[in-house]
Amino acid sequence: AQTVTQSQPEMSVQEAETVTLSCTYDTSESNYYLFWYKQPPSRQMILVIRQEAYKQQNATENRFSVNFQKAAKSFSLKISDSQLGDTAMYFCAFTLNAGGTSYGKLTFGQGTILTVHP
Amino acid sequence: AAGVIQSPRHLIKEKRETATLKCYPIPRHDTVYWYQQGPGQDPQFLISFYEKMQSDKGSIPDRFSAQQFSDYHSELNMSSLELGDSALYFCASSPMGATDTQYFGPGTRLTVL
Repeated sequence: AQTVTQSQPEMSVQEAETVTLSCTYDTSESNYYLFWYKQPPSRQMILVIRQEAYKQQNATENRFSVNFQKAAKSFSLKISDSQLGDTAMYFCAFTLNAGGTSYGKLTFGQGTILTVHP
Repeated sequence: AAGVIQSPRHLIKEKRETATLKCYPIPRHDTVYWYQQGPGQDPQFLISFYEKMQSDKGSIPDRFSAQQFSDYHSELNMSSLELGDSALYFCASSPMGATDTQYFGPGTRLTVL
């Protein structure tokens, strides 16, 4: 079974600064996907960024980037130039890839509450 | 862009009643997933469907059942509701041939009194 661990229950950052959220996972599989989802107070689950395990290059999406360390089973999210709208719960998530059609369930970490202060 | 639609958005039921939650995936998405998120918890996978067949099953109580219809919409039926069933229920969908990325609906907030 796969597990995802987020060891930071809460984080805070000043507006315009950079913050890094940590995530580790455990799996015996080699082909999988990792995600960061954002859940603002509205409770909507919003996909922030996606990483394919077989790609060594770290994914980036505007102000969001990841540091994917496959050997260490680590997948951290860096938010640059933090904005007040980034305040939310952030979930790290994992799914297996079974040849491109995984039908895979997502396994989530416990979440990290990020507060951006003005 | 079209998103996943869930209805109703809010539902209040009494203990032992039944509830039906509906999910309409993004057009051309053929895979649907259901998740349950309790207060202060991460979402937990319940069940998924691919091409109208159940594809995976998680920690879904026997009191719950679900199906996917010919138009790809899905319904989660919940019977003999308990106080502990109060949660946010998410539906997510994935596009045909690319089931690695799931797009979530806004959720249905179920309150059992």
